[in-house]
Amino acid sequence: ELKVEQNPLFLSMQEGKNYTIYCNYSTTSDRLYWYRQDPGKSLESLFVLLSNGAVKQEGRLMASLDTKARLSTLHITAAVHDLSATYFCAGWSTGNQFYFGTGTSLTVIP
Amino acid sequence: DTAVSQTPKYLVTQMGNDKSIKCEQNLGHDTMYWYKQDSKKFLKIMFSYNNKELIINETVPNRFSPKSPDKAHLNLHINSLELGDSAVYFCASSQPRDEETQYFGPGTRLLVL
Repeated sequence: ELKVEQNPLFLSMQEGKNYTIYCNYSTTSDRLYWYRQDPGKSLESLFVLLSNGAVKQEGRLMASLDTKARLSTLHITAAVHDLSATYFCAGWSTGNQFYFGTGTSLTVIP
Repeated sequence: DTAVSQTPKYLVTQMGNDKSIKCEQNLGHDTMYWYKQDSKKFLKIMFSYNNKELIINETVPNRFSPKSPDKAHLNLHINSLELGDSAVYFCASSQPRDEETQYFGPGTRLLVL
């Protein structure tokens, strides 16, 4: 089994501020995924990180992967209300099962 | 065209009933999945399946069974529904290569009374 822990679980931030969501995982997997889920909706893929040191950016979101520390981060720059959602990281276990983190519920306040 | 579709969108039923949720993908993917999302938004994989291999999460009760008539469909059959089965069930698909992300269906909201 792969344990995937995110923090914080809940994040309330003001528009225009920066913040980072952390994702720690328990195996030596070198692949990590980030998804977004809007309330009552399905999951949307944000980033696929495939190797140590991988960094990907899309708009105000930037994700990175440190496989040695078993850590991925999702950095939010100058948050806007549209970014309010729940963000999940996920990865593959050695038994070839896909595990999601606990999720971080982000609320951006005007 | 919808990439991954599920029916029904909502399902309300009584304890003890048997129900099925259908999933279809038109992406040509080889692998399909079922996930359960509970009221606290925790997502748990239930099954992953391609035409060669079914991987079952050992924590899933055997009342749940996936059925795949062909590569584009993976249905979820649930016997003897229990209150704790109330959740949102998501189907997803991907290519089997590790770098491929998964595409999720819209979800089926199951309520067991």
